[in-house]
Order: sequence, then structure tokens, then C-alpha cells
Amino acid sequence: EADIYQTPRYLVIGTGKKITLECSQTMGHDKMYWYQQDPGMELHLIHYSYGVNSTEKGDLSSESTVSRIRTEHFPLTLESARPSHTSQYLCASSEGGAGEKLFFGSGTQLSVL
Amino acid sequence: QKEVEQDPGPLSVPEGAIVSLNCTYSNSAFQYFMWYRQYSRKGPELLMYTYSSGNKEDGRFTAQVDKSSKYISLFIRDSQPSDSATYLCAMSTDWGNYQLIWGAGTKLIIKP
Repeated sequence: EADIYQTPRYLVIGTGKKITLECSQTMGHDKMYWYQQDPGMELHLIHYSYGVNSTEKGDLSSESTVSRIRTEHFPLTLESARPSHTSQYLCASSEGGAGEKLFFGSGTQLSVL
Repeated sequence: QKEVEQDPGPLSVPEGAIVSLNCTYSNSAFQYFMWYRQYSRKGPELLMYTYSSGNKEDGRFTAQVDKSSKYISLFIRDSQPSDSATYLCAMSTDWGNYQLIWGAGTKLIIKP
């Protein structure tokens, strides 16, 4: 079944640790996105990719980095986690641009102590 | 001022009621309008998609766009407890534009 997977679902980690949030999709979509969502707030785009070896920063400044070595895989890395990074991180993919249907994963809830 | 405004709710209605959810926006260049539904601890899923002005119906759901008023609505008929979720509006200026502008979402509670 075509889907988009995020791991871990929940992560509690101490300040200064390096973390990688995983995102994989089985739909063969070229476009992938990382959004940040805080309670009661809008989704904010932090990274997007048009395809392999193509990554761009979104409108929300983020200290995270991403890579796109394979079409199906779009991991997000924080080199040194801080409490300000506490948030929900949502990965999404689409066949075309974001004006088309976005398929979202279930998200990773990150808590940095 | 935010580009897209959405009442956060919660909006609590009895089962079977007609629900109206709304977003207002300030950028007249928006042409593509979407409604996403997000259940607790899940990612959003696309519910309705409309281009420019007009209505679009899909089962119990109707999406309405009024570009002259910069106002979009989602109507849910015969609401069910399973409709309880947060409803997010999103909009874009161009097809294929990676940048969607999102509302903050309205939490809807349908009471049995």
C-alpha cells in the first residue's frame, strides 16, 4: 500500500544531542516537504525537495538540514538539539507542486529537555 | 497580520447538525483553495480542493469560495462524531507552487 512513514513517532532528548527524523514514501513522488506544526499555529514549511539531490529551505528559518539521496527518503537532521526545537515535525510528499494533493505522514513529536 | 485567518474554535455541535467552517485571506492572488482534515496525533489529509470562485460538492462536504470577499467556507451536512477533527484551510497562488499558506485550523467536536 502506498504510504508515507515517519519515525520515530515520539522523541524526548536532551539538549545538545544530534537527532535525525526519518521520512520515507512508497508513492514515487518527486516532491517532498518538511513542515513544523505547533499547537494552535499554522503549518510552516522548513524544507522542500523537488527531487534527488534537490533541497531548498522553506519560509521558516530552521537550524535543521535535510538530504535527498534517494527519491523515497527525505531525512531531517538537527546537529545540536535545543528546547526551542520542541515541536511536531510533519513530512509530506506530492506528485506535483504543493498546489496538488499533499500526502502527510503521522508526524514526529519532538521534545528537547 | 496573518495572510490567512481561521477561528481556532473549538466548535462543538450536536450530531446531525450542519457545520460551517470558514477562512478569510488577504492576498487576492490566491487561486487554489484546499481544506485538510487532521485527526489527533495524525498528519493532515486533503478533504476538498477548489480552483478560483464557486462551489464544489463531495458527499456530505461542500467547499465554497468567494474571491470578491476573500472568504472560503467548508460545509459539513449530517455531521457525525467521526467528523471530530481539526480542519485546516490552505491556499496557493499558482498550480505547482510549493508554498502553501495555511490557516491555524478550527477544532470541531461533534457530540453524539
